[in-house]
Amino acid sequence: DTEVTQTPKHLVMGMTNKKSLKCEQHMGHRAMYWYKQKAKKPPELMFVYSYEKLSINESVPSRFSPECPNSSLLNLHLHALQPEDSALYLCASSLSSSGHNEQFFGPGTRLTVL
Amino acid sequence: GENVEQHPSTLSVQEGDSAVIKCTYSDSASNYFPWYKQELGKGPQLIIDIRSNVGEKKDQRIAVTLNKTAKHFSLHITETQPEDSAVYFCAAKGGSGGSNYKLTFGKGTLLTVNP
Repeated sequence: DTEVTQTPKHLVMGMTNKKSLKCEQHMGHRAMYWYKQKAKKPPELMFVYSYEKLSINESVPSRFSPECPNSSLLNLHLHALQPEDSALYLCASSLSSSGHNEQFFGPGTRLTVL
Repeated sequence: GENVEQHPSTLSVQEGDSAVIKCTYSDSASNYFPWYKQELGKGPQLIIDIRSNVGEKKDQRIAVTLNKTAKHFSLHITETQPEDSAVYFCAAKGGSGGSNYKLTFGKGTLLTVNP
């Protein structure tokens, strides 16, 4: 299984809602990532988890809260988002966060904040 | 930190022609250079990568070349097919200044292959 899965595929939420994005991989990867991608732009790194611990936070606002319940799952909890947070949210995983390890990306969750 | 420039931003070719996309990077400590293809509605998929101890790598119709002295690397696609149409991103990793965990992406190239 060389796949990263993400749910939901699409999400529409109001600025006062709380929602969560989910990501799963069963490749035995110990590094997992959240990226944000705006239209016609490259992915921007948000968070890196290494061995289920948050190792990198790229100065992301606290309205985005990541969680790694186990080595296969990664969540992104959303609260009090702004319309400018609308984007494609990509999850990725790799064997480890260092070195030349391929990052496998999921299909993303298309988020719209009204 | 690392900065990756990618050109061209759009590229249109006829089916069967070759396509070349070029990237330059700023941090001479970067040592890993992957290329990703992103089709509409999908996440990026790795198509080829190269490490700094190699000058060229080929996989069927796709090849990547790396010039460490000039700090640039290029993607070459031969015998293009309509299914090659997508956005292509180059990236660099392994730079100095505490950013060696991070993939720094170029801005992307929209490749259109016309039948």
